[in-house]
Amino acid sequence: ETGVTQSPTHLIKTRGQQVTLRCSSQSGHNTVSWYQQALGQGPQFIFQYYREEENGRGNFPPRFSGLQFPNYSSELNVNALELDDSALYLCASSQGGAAYEQYFGPGTRLTVT
Amino acid sequence: AQSVSQHNHHVILSEAASLELGCNYSYGGTVNLFWYVQYPGQHLQLLLKYFSGDPLVKGIKGFEAEFIKSKFSFNLRKPSVQWSDTAEYFCAVLLDFGNEKLTFGTGTRLTIIP
Repeated sequence: ETGVTQSPTHLIKTRGQQVTLRCSSQSGHNTVSWYQQALGQGPQFIFQYYREEENGRGNFPPRFSGLQFPNYSSELNVNALELDDSALYLCASSQGGAAYEQYFGPGTRLTVT
Repeated sequence: AQSVSQHNHHVILSEAASLELGCNYSYGGTVNLFWYVQYPGQHLQLLLKYFSGDPLVKGIKGFEAEFIKSKFSFNLRKPSVQWSDTAEYFCAVLLDFGNEKLTFGTGTRLTIIP
């Protein structure tokens, strides 16, 4: 059973609002990656944090931002929400970069109305 | 930009049948390849990975995958499937070390009929 947890489980927001999603990494992991998974699609890489620094970013606009804390937990912030932001947001932790086995959390289901 | 194609969207097999799920990627350089699996009600988890060396890699639960560079393919195989293999399978590609953008395919839903 993975030790990665995410909160909240579900969230409903209105277009234009801001949202913060949270992720607690597995013990001993210093890297957190965030993915967006739209319905019927595979996860899309948003960005990765390694030791509190952004360490790689996918094709997402600047209104997607993140943080990693000294305990390696992480937040994903999305400003000015759009309808297309409705998706499952996955967090994965690992002992290094993406080449290492990533341990995924259960995800946060975000619905933007 | 790299991309990953999984042409089989939904595969239905009977128990004991052999399985092969296709995965093709588009990138001419060095790649690292992965198969991840999501069982019903569970999180995504790593099934197997290829970095270098023997192009035939073995993973958990009797799965294996073969990297064929000339075909840009990394197909997943299992000689005899079980009902418990029912899951969604994702192929993913990572360019050489230092690029953290893991690119996933759209996934293949596998249903095993007892």
